[in-house]
Amino acid sequence: AQSVAQPEDQVNVAEGNPLTVKCTYSVSGNPYLFWYVQYPNRGLQFLLKYITGDNLVKGSYGFEAEFNKSQTSFHLKKPSALVSDSALYFCAVRPQHSGGYQKVTFGTGTKLQVIP
Amino acid sequence: GAVVSQHPSRVICKSGTSVKIECRSLDFQATTMFWYRQFPKQSLMLMATSNEGSKATYEQGVEKDKFLINHASLTLSTLTVTSAHPEDSSFYICSAPGTGGNSYNEQFFGPGTRLTVL
Repeated sequence: AQSVAQPEDQVNVAEGNPLTVKCTYSVSGNPYLFWYVQYPNRGLQFLLKYITGDNLVKGSYGFEAEFNKSQTSFHLKKPSALVSDSALYFCAVRPQHSGGYQKVTFGTGTKLQVIP
Repeated sequence: GAVVSQHPSRVICKSGTSVKIECRSLDFQATTMFWYRQFPKQSLMLMATSNEGSKATYEQGVEKDKFLINHASLTLSTLTVTSAHPEDSSFYICSAPGTGGNSYNEQFFGPGTRLTVL
């Protein structure tokens, strides 16, 4: 069974500092990996994804994530945090199997708090 | 980009009544849609996969008679919470996978529906 672990319930970072939100995964075969962001009382917004190719993926709002196959990780990063980045971040994984749409598994979420 | 809408955004109902939540893909067709439930400070729990023109696939532990799903067209899926009780109060979110091009594989989420059962 596939799974996603986000070991930190909350990450606090000062505005302007770099941020990292951690994610590790377990899946059969090669993964598709995603990061989503959720603002209060809203649905999830897609940030970025890893499908294949370059391990460093760049996404929306200056975020990026690095796929590390040996460590089965897909940490989300941003060089300089903004107060407006404060939100709940979800990592997700699904297997690269063929034959129809495969179920996506979400992590438990990490609350990012950027301190002015 | 692909847009998914949900209606209503918020609903309050009395215990024992039924509530219908609509999920629409506005600018693309979705043969598959997903219904999630999210508890406060918790992750999304997949309830069921809605399939256009056929029965929904429910996750283990989700009562299909309690949460009725209908996917009557390529742009609309509905979730009906029947005989709602306070423990059904939650944030319900739908999503649809993108199709083709760069949108393939990621999901597009609706804004969610906050259900409160009194």
